[in-house]
Amino acid sequence: DAKTTQPPSMDCAEGRAANLPCNHSTISGNEYVYWYRQIHSQGPQYIIHGLKNNETNEMASLIITEDRKSSTLILPHATLRDTAVYYCIVRVAYSGSARQLTFGSGTQLTVLP
Amino acid sequence: DAGVIQSPRHEVTEMGQEVTLRCKPISGHDYLFWYRQTMMRGLELLIYFNNNVPIDDSGMPEDRFSAKMPNASFSTLKIQPSEPRDSAVYFCASRETGYNEQYFGPGTRLTVT
Repeated sequence: DAKTTQPPSMDCAEGRAANLPCNHSTISGNEYVYWYRQIHSQGPQYIIHGLKNNETNEMASLIITEDRKSSTLILPHATLRDTAVYYCIVRVAYSGSARQLTFGSGTQLTVLP
Repeated sequence: DAGVIQSPRHEVTEMGQEVTLRCKPISGHDYLFWYRQTMMRGLELLIYFNNNVPIDDSGMPEDRFSAKMPNASFSTLKIQPSEPRDSAVYFCASRETGYNEQYFGPGTRLTVT
């Protein structure tokens, strides 16, 4: 699975959009970009995933660059409850590989009142 | 659905004792994963099952750790004998074939003194 690079921490004002970047310059053509988050003392939570097209769901939007070497997770209107560690993960979908998800160190997003 | 259920939520035990962690996956999910999270090593995959069969246990740290899945609705992770370095939060997760997202339980915080 491709390695990802994320900033260790970010702050965002409540009500504003939070834009979390992720670099994955060694991504392969069949690898997807996944985002999970972990709120303090809870298990990780799936947010969104994509291959090459931009994706949107009720939680967030995922913007993937045309060369697929980087992506941005967008929380359109951040709330205090969005304070969490956000993980960007790159892997082949539905693969039989042992490492189903490899979590890096992630980005600690702090939403400020 | 109640989500992934783990018990106990907290466990404190003395070094050398046997510890058993329990997990009930989401009904209908045929993949089950055990993870361990520490400050030093982050979130690590220990073992995963597909249709109750262990597929890859290469993440299990040593022979003191064992995991079983006797049926589709129950799995255990056992540590015998436990050591202080096993102190961590242990997460169970499940997913359904054909879907990318894993659903995590609330975790079991294990403290070995």
